Amino acid sequence: SQQGEEDPQALSIQEGENATMNCSYKTSINNLQWYRQNSGRGLVHLILIRSNEREKHSGRLRVTLDTSKKSSSLLITASRAADTASYFCVVGTSYGKLTFGQGTILTVHP
Amino acid sequence: DVKVTQSSRYLVKRTGEKVFLECVQDMDHENMFWYRQDPGLGLRLIYFSYDVKMKEKGDIPEGYSVSREKKERFSLILESASTNQTSMYLCASTINPGELFFGEGSRLTVL
Repeated sequence: SQQGEEDPQALSIQEGENATMNCSYKTSINNLQWYRQNSGRGLVHLILIRSNEREKHSGRLRVTLDTSKKSSSLLITASRAADTASYFCVVGTSYGKLTFGQGTILTVHP
Repeated sequence: DVKVTQSSRYLVKRTGEKVFLECVQDMDHENMFWYRQDPGLGLRLIYFSYDVKMKEKGDIPEGYSVSREKKERFSLILESASTNQTSMYLCASTINPGELFFGEGSRLTVL
């Protein structure tokens, strides 16, 4: 399986701190995406990074991709209570198969 | 806006029944997916399709089959429902590579 594996499974921080989540995968990928899911709600697309890219930014989000280590990280800077959610990495193959990791549960305390 | 429509939001079925979950997208996306989401397990890929009549097994295809006769429609079939198939089923579509667009989900309970 090319399913991404997130680390840590759960992360608890204070508002204003940075949160870093990691994703590792097993085989070659074409792209990697990150999604957020608030409790009981739908999935929200955060960012897509292609295999030939090393870093992407979107607002307070920074994603890195290291294909030699088969890993990616999602950094949320200056976290807010509203960032409390589950975060999933999704690995994509060249022919479009997209598989999710089990997710990291982030709790940001006010 | 992309719209992915799942035919049933809530279903209750009996063990052994055949169950059809329908999904339709209106953006001419090539790729369509069926996932199930269970607490603590994230989203697991059941099947996906990258073209009409083409399908590929995901990580947990056992007990499921799919049909894609038209580009906009992707059906998930449970040939003989079992209690361990009680779950939230999510259909999604996308271009490749691209953001997944999800339906609202179908919550299936098998008694």
